[in-house]
Amino acid sequence: DSGVTQTPKHLITATGQRVTLRCSPRSGDLSVYWYQQSLDQGLQFLIQYYNGEERAKGNILERFSAQQFPDLHSELNLSSLELGDSALYFCASSVGDRGINSPLHFGNGTRLTVT
Amino acid sequence: DAKTTQPNSMESNEEEPVHLPCNHSTISGTDYIHWYRQLPSQGPEYVIHGLTSNVNNRMASLAIAEDRKSSTLILHRATLRDAAVYYCILTRQGAQKLVFGQGTRLTINP
Repeated sequence: DSGVTQTPKHLITATGQRVTLRCSPRSGDLSVYWYQQSLDQGLQFLIQYYNGEERAKGNILERFSAQQFPDLHSELNLSSLELGDSALYFCASSVGDRGINSPLHFGNGTRLTVT
Repeated sequence: DAKTTQPNSMESNEEEPVHLPCNHSTISGTDYIHWYRQLPSQGPEYVIHGLTSNVNNRMASLAIAEDRKSSTLILHRATLRDAAVYYCILTRQGAQKLVFGQGTRLTINP
């Protein structure tokens, strides 16, 4: 058990809809990372937050947004969903005080299916 | 980030050592070498990381070549639970993200 909790585990929705994925980091971790894993693209970095502030951005679509709240949990919002957004979405956390060289701890992901 | 090259797949037997290679010929002096693995239906899991010297932990050992252009992840005694995709990743010091490649799919035979 990594200590990172992601909810929900599964989500099925229709094209054009909006969903919110939630992540609770490990106790004491200040950084939260979001990754997308699809069959054809592998694991793609989306965005990172450190103590409530955005720190790094990857190939995150404009239809996607994220935030980290004062209690350090994070939410990834996906809107105007398309079939191609179907994927596993992973959240990871780390202590975050030494950049990426602190090990990342991943949750077990949210599987999003867009129909 | 510098590129890594790993075999697409490897196979080994239970209770035998496994050596997973990674080539990174364009590595720079400040690049750390990380290994993560992803078991089926789970998120990636940190295995080990190092800079120049060989590293050991309870999960594995990391052997780094003297010129740092390659490294090897060593699982000393493979179990069925070690069947996973193993990712070798380089990061610059202070980098804020891990960039995953395709990794090596390791199969363990009983």
